[in-house]
Amino acid sequence: QKEVEQNSGPLSVPEGAIASLNCTYSDRGSQSFFWYRQYSGKSPELIMFIYSNGDKEDGRFTAQLNKASQYVSLLIRDSQPSDSATYLCAVGEEYGNKLVFGAGTILRVKS
Amino acid sequence: DADVTQTPRNRITKTGKRIMLECSQTKGHDRMYWYRQDPGLGLRLIYYSFDVKDINKGEISDGYSVSRQAQAKFSLSLESAIPNQTALYFCATSDTSGDFDNEQFFGPGTRLTVL
Repeated sequence: QKEVEQNSGPLSVPEGAIASLNCTYSDRGSQSFFWYRQYSGKSPELIMFIYSNGDKEDGRFTAQLNKASQYVSLLIRDSQPSDSATYLCAVGEEYGNKLVFGAGTILRVKS
Repeated sequence: DADVTQTPRNRITKTGKRIMLECSQTKGHDRMYWYRQDPGLGLRLIYYSFDVKDINKGEISDGYSVSRQAQAKFSLSLESAIPNQTALYFCATSDTSGDFDNEQFFGPGTRLTVL
């Protein structure tokens, strides 16, 4: 069974700080990686995907991938209270057409 | 806007009852998925379909069945509901782009309670 592991949190950071969310995965052959954000009672929405080693930046968000160590992380700069949500890491199977999700990390940004 | 809709949004039923959850999409996507979400367990794949004639079991298909009535419709059935099927159910769709980065778009979810 392919696994995706995340610390459940909650991770608490002050407003304006950098939030760092981490995810490890078991399948060394995985090639695509996704970060979804889920507000309480709402559906998940994609915020980042990455499939090459290194960093990918999009606004305040940076995804980092290290395939050798089998981990992917999400950095949120200048964290805002509106970033408070559960962040789900997902790993693609079958060329990204199936996703295996981690249990999610709860992020709380305190103003 | 192109969208993914689920009906009903909330359902309370009793053990042993047959339940159908419906998903419709106007995105024109060919791939559709059913997940359940439980606290602390994240999203788990129940069934998925890459086109009308293609149905595949996911990680936790026991106790569930699906029907892909058309490209835009994908229904999930619980033939005889049991309490441990109480969960939040999501339908999702994705496009066939041929790349790795196939974003899945999620419906609003159906909260099912089995008493």
